Amino acid sequence: AQSVAQPEDQVNVAEGNPLTVKCTYSVSGNPYLFWYVQYPNRGLQFLLKYITGDNLVKGSYGFEAEFNKSQTSFHLKKPSALVSDSALYFCAVRDRDDKIIFGKGTRLHILP
Amino acid sequence: AAGVIQSPRHLIKEKRETATLKCYPIPRHDTVYWYQQGPGQDPQFLISFYEKMQSDKGSIPDRFSAQQFSDYHSELNMSSLELGDSALYFCASSPSGRQTQETQYFGPGTRLLVL
Repeated sequence: AQSVAQPEDQVNVAEGNPLTVKCTYSVSGNPYLFWYVQYPNRGLQFLLKYITGDNLVKGSYGFEAEFNKSQTSFHLKKPSALVSDSALYFCAVRDRDDKIIFGKGTRLHILP
Repeated sequence: AAGVIQSPRHLIKEKRETATLKCYPIPRHDTVYWYQQGPGQDPQFLISFYEKMQSDKGSIPDRFSAQQFSDYHSELNMSSLELGDSALYFCASSPSGRQTQETQYFGPGTRLLVL
């Protein structure tokens, strides 16, 4: 079965510093990987996805993620964090039947 | 750009009542997915429809049913509501979702509170 793991419940980063939110995956076959962000009392917003091609995927709001097959990881990164990036981030994988399977989420706090 | 629309945004019901949640996908999206996110939990897949036919079923209780209509909007019907049904219910849509690389775009969710 497809699954993703987010090892950190919470990540704290000072504003202006680079941020990384970790995600590892376990899939059979080719992985379709996603990052979604959830702001308080808001829906899930799509950030980026990896289907095939370049291992470095660029997404919305300056975020990017690096697909690493040998480490089965898909970490989310941003070179310089903003306070407005504070939110709940979900790594996800698309199952064979097209449904999305989410990780447990990582709460990102950007400290002013 | 048009997004997924869900109504109502908030709903308060009492135990054993029924509720109907509606989802209007992005125009030209023919695939709809329903997810349930309990307090402090990650979203869990409930059910999906492609071209008005149920395409996959997840951890959806038998008390719940759903359908997709000819205009591709979908409704999630929930009966005999229980306290544990209190959650945020998301709808997502994608174009031609079956076995494609398309992204699922999520609506803002319906927050259901069962008292």
